[in-house]
Amino acid sequence: AQSVTQLDSQVPVFEEAPVELRCNYSSSVSVYLFWYVQYPNQGLQLLLKYLSGSTLVKGINGFEAEFNKSQTSFHLRKPSVHISDTAEYFCAVSDRAGGSYIPTFGRGTSLIVHP
Amino acid sequence: KAGVTQTPRYLIKTRGQQVTLSCSPISGHRSVSWYQQTPGQGLQFLFEYFSETQRNKGNFPGRFSGRQFSNSRSEMNVSTLELGDSALYLCASSPGTSTRFYEQYFGPGTRLTVT
Repeated sequence: AQSVTQLDSQVPVFEEAPVELRCNYSSSVSVYLFWYVQYPNQGLQLLLKYLSGSTLVKGINGFEAEFNKSQTSFHLRKPSVHISDTAEYFCAVSDRAGGSYIPTFGRGTSLIVHP
Repeated sequence: KAGVTQTPRYLIKTRGQQVTLSCSPISGHRSVSWYQQTPGQGLQFLFEYFSETQRNKGNFPGRFSGRQFSNSRSEMNVSTLELGDSALYLCASSPGTSTRFYEQYFGPGTRLTVT
């Protein structure tokens, strides 16, 4: 079964600084990768997805992520964060070879942006 | 297009009671998945319905059940509530066509508190 590790449970950062949220998944031949964001008292919103093609994926709100197959990673980055980016971020992986496309979610990383 | 809607948004129940939660997917989406989110366990997959059939099931006891109607709306039921069932229950709908099976769009959730 697929497993997803988000290495940092909490990432504090100052406004306008760059940020990277890390995500690693267990080895698989072919996967679909996702990042979701959850604001307080809301559901999850899809930030970006990797299905195939270019390993650098751009999403909404200025976020991007890079798929690294050899390191089984899909780290999320933003060059300059805003206060409004404070939220919980979830990495998710769907194993295309596993027969079930239901994604496995990481435990989440809380991004805290300080003024 | 309207997003995924869930009703009610908040619910307080007593141990031993049962509860029914409702989810209306995005128009045209045929797949509906349910997740339980708690601080301790994170996001855990409950089950997924497609065209009124349960297609995938997570590792939850039989007290948790669901169904999907012909208009793709879904309900989940929890019988004999326990204190540990207190959680945010999220519904997600998916387009259900080729690779877009993997994209999930979440509702705002139903916050269930069991006392």
